[in-house]
Amino acid sequence: DTAVSQTPKYLVTQMGNDKSIKCEQNLGHDTMYWYKQDSKKFLKIMFSYNNKELIINETVPNRFSPKSPDKAHLNLHINSLELGDSAVYFCASSRGRAEAFFGQGTRLTVV
Amino acid sequence: DQQVKQNSPSLSVQEGRISILNCDYTNSMFDYFLWYKKYPAEGPTFLISISSIKDKNEDGRFTVFLNKSAKHLSLHIVPSQPGDSAVYFCAASENYGQNFVFGPGTRLSVLP
Repeated sequence: DTAVSQTPKYLVTQMGNDKSIKCEQNLGHDTMYWYKQDSKKFLKIMFSYNNKELIINETVPNRFSPKSPDKAHLNLHINSLELGDSAVYFCASSRGRAEAFFGQGTRLTVV
Repeated sequence: DQQVKQNSPSLSVQEGRISILNCDYTNSMFDYFLWYKKYPAEGPTFLISISSIKDKNEDGRFTVFLNKSAKHLSLHIVPSQPGDSAVYFCAASENYGQNFVFGPGTRLSVLP
């Protein structure tokens, strides 16, 4: 049973398209995150949700919109994809302020 | 403007020896630190944490040391095993918060 699962694992799409990445956690955690790992391998937090409420929203383009239908899910929608959006996106979850458990990542390639 | 730095991109160590991974930070408000390990094509896995009220935390073969005055922490792995070969990330947050800032990682290779 995967604790934090995200789909798809790989996503190749053309510029200008709209795409979504789904994330689900079965750990009963109350906080979920989206991180982006760029070409220089830096992991940067994008969003954090606690009990379906947005609590961290770092400086990301508003083309990126997280949606949390319930505590176990946090999906990431990206509109009008650009070449610079190519990266690995990680979903994660935690119990409050404890350490986060990460999904396996989604490698997004925009061509 | 890197707030968390891991100045060694890579490190090679012989099996059985000690691995020492270093991390420096610039933000004096950081008070909670984590180390993660990452294998290729997988997400980071939590290893060990330390809060600013401590200077050492130990968990089996892994020990983290924190020197607040130097804004430096290190992860010691003793003895190193080939399965420890991975990328290690240091992360830090303020007010024991959830907004962790990650370093760029150090790739550890443990040679048999």
